[in-house]
Order: sequence, then C-alpha cells, then structure tokens
Amino acid sequence: ETGVTQTPRHLVMGMTNKKSLKCEQHLGHNAMYWYKQSAKKPLELMFVYNFKEQTENNSVPSRFSPECPNSSHLFLHLHTLQPEDSALYLCASSQALAAGNTEAFFGQGTRLTVV
Amino acid sequence: AQSVTQLGSHVSVSEGALVLLRCNYSSSVPPYLFWYVQYPNQGLQLLLKYTTGATLVKGINGFEAEFKKSETSFHLTKPSAHMSDAAEYFCAVSDGNTDKLIFGTGTRLQVFP
Repeated sequence: ETGVTQTPRHLVMGMTNKKSLKCEQHLGHNAMYWYKQSAKKPLELMFVYNFKEQTENNSVPSRFSPECPNSSHLFLHLHTLQPEDSALYLCASSQALAAGNTEAFFGQGTRLTVV
Repeated sequence: AQSVTQLGSHVSVSEGALVLLRCNYSSSVPPYLFWYVQYPNQGLQLLLKYTTGATLVKGINGFEAEFKKSETSFHLTKPSAHMSDAAEYFCAVSDGNTDKLIFGTGTRLQVFP
C-alpha cells in the first residue's frame, strides 16, 4: 500500500468513448502528477498540480483533460482517444513543489487500452 | 535541461551475483537523484535517493548507490542478487526546486537460478 490509489486498474475503451481515471492520495501531499508509461519509452510527465493549481502541461493533447478538485484527488478525463494512447497511466504525489522533499509516491497505475 | 541515461535496457545475472545497473545524469544545478523499482503490473516504488550529504546511499532490499559528481553517475548496486529482485529499475533526476522527476528509459533486471 503506497498511499496513492488509482482506479480503475484496467480500462478498455473505444475511440468514441468518454471515460475518467481517478487518483486519490492519503498522504497529506499537495502536489500531484500524471505520467504516461508506454513500452520502450521513458516515463512522460503529462500534468502537474500544486495546491490544486495546474503548474505544468507538457504539450498534452486536449483529448486528455485533468481535474484536481482538491489536494487529495486527481482525475484524468479521456475522450476521443487514439490507439497510440494505450499505455499505463501513473499518478504520483509529493509533499509540494519546491518543498525540499522531492520523494514522489506512485499509484499502481491504470492500464488503458484504446480499441 | 536535465536528463538521465541508463546504459543497458536489459541486465541478466545469476542468483547470488553482483547487480550493477548504470545511470548517468546531466544537470546544470546540483541534482537530486533517485532509483525506483517497478514490479510487473505495479507502480513505481522508491529504492533510494540522494539529495545532499553522504555520497553513498543505502536503500531498501539491500540496494545502494553512489553519487559520483566527477563521473556524473549514480550507479545502483547490490552485492548478491535474489530472484525477487527481478523487475524494472528506473533512475531519475530532479533539480530540487520543482520536484519534477525526469526518468531514464529503465533497465529490466533478470535473475537466473
């Protein structure tokens, strides 16, 4: 148990579907992150939130829409995805950006398959 | 900009043998360095980290890493491999200001009996 919980663990969706990934952390952290992990590629940082404010969007296509209603929850809304978006999506949290404690805790990921 | 290079996408060792996973970094500021491990169908778990102070860092499961500034390296070692060490290992760097981690491409460790 890492303190970061992602649901669902697996998701299969069609290209016209709309779905959401959920991440919840019980660590009292204020920074949350979405990463994309594809085969044979480095982990790609997608979005960063610090105290509920988005601080980074790494040129992510608009078919991915993040939402951070509070410091404990992070969502990734998906719509009209492409097959190349199939990947493991990892959520992480840390104490806060520039807090000096840079350890990030990761969830177990959501394995997304777009058909 | 910061970057991480992990030499060798696959490393195979026999059980009981030395494990050495290589990581070199590039950073214009003093780096914070990390090793994470990922077991199949799992997220990433922190093995160890270097921020400041002692350059030899000990982590969980008997792993350790040494920060060598002159070589811009942060190689991960374990004296004796165990079957349960089979996993993918990621080296990462951050600048200590933003807490954003830049990851390497990972090294898959196989351990043979």
